[in-house]
Amino acid sequence: QVQLQESGPGLVKPSETLSLTCTVSGGSISSYYWSWIRQPPGKGLEWIGYIYYSGSTNYNPSLKSRVTISVDTSKNQFSLKLSSVTAADTAVYYCARDVVPAGGRWNNWFDPWGQGTLVTVSS
Amino acid sequence: QSVLTQPPSVSGAPGQRVTISCTGSSSNIGAGYDVHWYQQLPGTAPKLLIYGNSNRPSGVPDRFSGSKSGTSASLAITGLQAEDEADYYCQSYDSSLSGSNVFGTGTKVTVL
Repeated sequence: QVQLQESGPGLVKPSETLSLTCTVSGGSISSYYWSWIRQPPGKGLEWIGYIYYSGSTNYNPSLKSRVTISVDTSKNQFSLKLSSVTAADTAVYYCARDVVPAGGRWNNWFDPWGQGTLVTVSS
Repeated sequence: QSVLTQPPSVSGAPGQRVTISCTGSSSNIGAGYDVHWYQQLPGTAPKLLIYGNSNRPSGVPDRFSGSKSGTSASLAITGLQAEDEADYYCQSYDSSLSGSNVFGTGTKVTVL
């Protein structure tokens, strides 16, 4: 079955850019949507944005000005860049397959998820 | 400041039935968007529990059930077991402002 694995630096300095990659194994990245979701320590979940394998994207309006999600189908990977980070961006970052049913794009759910990676923003 | 509100915690003895509410508004659940539920065991990633309001993925016990009515949705756990102790989140879409996937505030289920 499809498995996802996040990778990237666990420590980022304030004002710099957070960069993470999600590697998809056990299946092709093609023909699916893929999302990034984060969870600050001890808090709830926040959707960051999605990318379709063709490259089209959609971002959470609250993060849109700082987020870029890209895809590399040749490597079966998609990536997240979050610029101008602050301590408020400290979180566990998850990648997930974004399952879109026939009933409409925004009736989507997330399955499966990667194990998550903690990114701490600190000098 | 999630637009989907859940009770912070619920508890029950083994074998009991507990329910978790997910309260939204006319721009999300009330607008007809589906609700999905996730279980997050301590220290692990969320796992899909219910999709499309009331459907269980393969492998999820039938002790878990979901429903939706009006601007709210509910997750019920019957025959509560110790392994059900976890955080539970609902998820839907909100069309206000520019629109976004949204998650509930989360509920901690404690098995007494």
